[in-house]
Amino acid sequence: DAGITQSPRHKVTETGTPVTLRCHQTENHRYMYWYRQDPGHGLRLIHYSYGVKDTDKGEVSDGYSVSRSKTEDFLLTLESATSSQTSVYFCAISQTGERTEAFFGQGTRLTVV
Amino acid sequence: AQSVTQPDIHITVSEGASLELRCNYSYGATPYLFWYVQSPGQGLQLLLKYFSGDTLVQGIKGFEAEFKRSQSSFNLRKPSVHWSDAAEYFCAVGGQGAQKLVFGQGTRLTINP
Repeated sequence: DAGITQSPRHKVTETGTPVTLRCHQTENHRYMYWYRQDPGHGLRLIHYSYGVKDTDKGEVSDGYSVSRSKTEDFLLTLESATSSQTSVYFCAISQTGERTEAFFGQGTRLTVV
Repeated sequence: AQSVTQPDIHITVSEGASLELRCNYSYGATPYLFWYVQSPGQGLQLLLKYFSGDTLVQGIKGFEAEFKRSQSSFNLRKPSVHWSDAAEYFCAVGGQGAQKLVFGQGTRLTINP
């Protein structure tokens, strides 16, 4: 299995609080992604990174920010959590972003109450 | 921009029966296509991928998929399903110039004994 670790695996937080999810990889892959998974929507891309300090928005980026200060770490921050951000969040990595598949972490289940 | 449609939200088949899951994609350049499987509570695992060449590709667990450019389709097939194939299946599209994968909504597969 690809070396991807997401933390925490489960979190319950209150509306309005900031939350940071961490993705750590040991594969030295260039690309890293954050997706959210919701019933009926499949996986939707939030943000992605194509190198240290190089990030771009996905289709559902509002309310989220990311940072990548090291190749191995990609952080997703919910600036002020809302109930609509209750979801399962997946981190993925890819060598090239094009011709290689993405490898996924185990997911983080986030509940905003 | 890329997009993927999986027309079937939920499919039920009997154990031993054949299976076909549909996937239609849209991408303006050469597409790279993937099928992933997700067991309950798990991350996503790659079943197979298509980049170029032979349009019938073989994957793990006895799955295959056929790329049909004229129909913009990449349907997943298995001749005889096993109870362990019950899971959610996702089709995804990347491509030349793309830096990310876009996923379909997923198809949940139930196996009747």
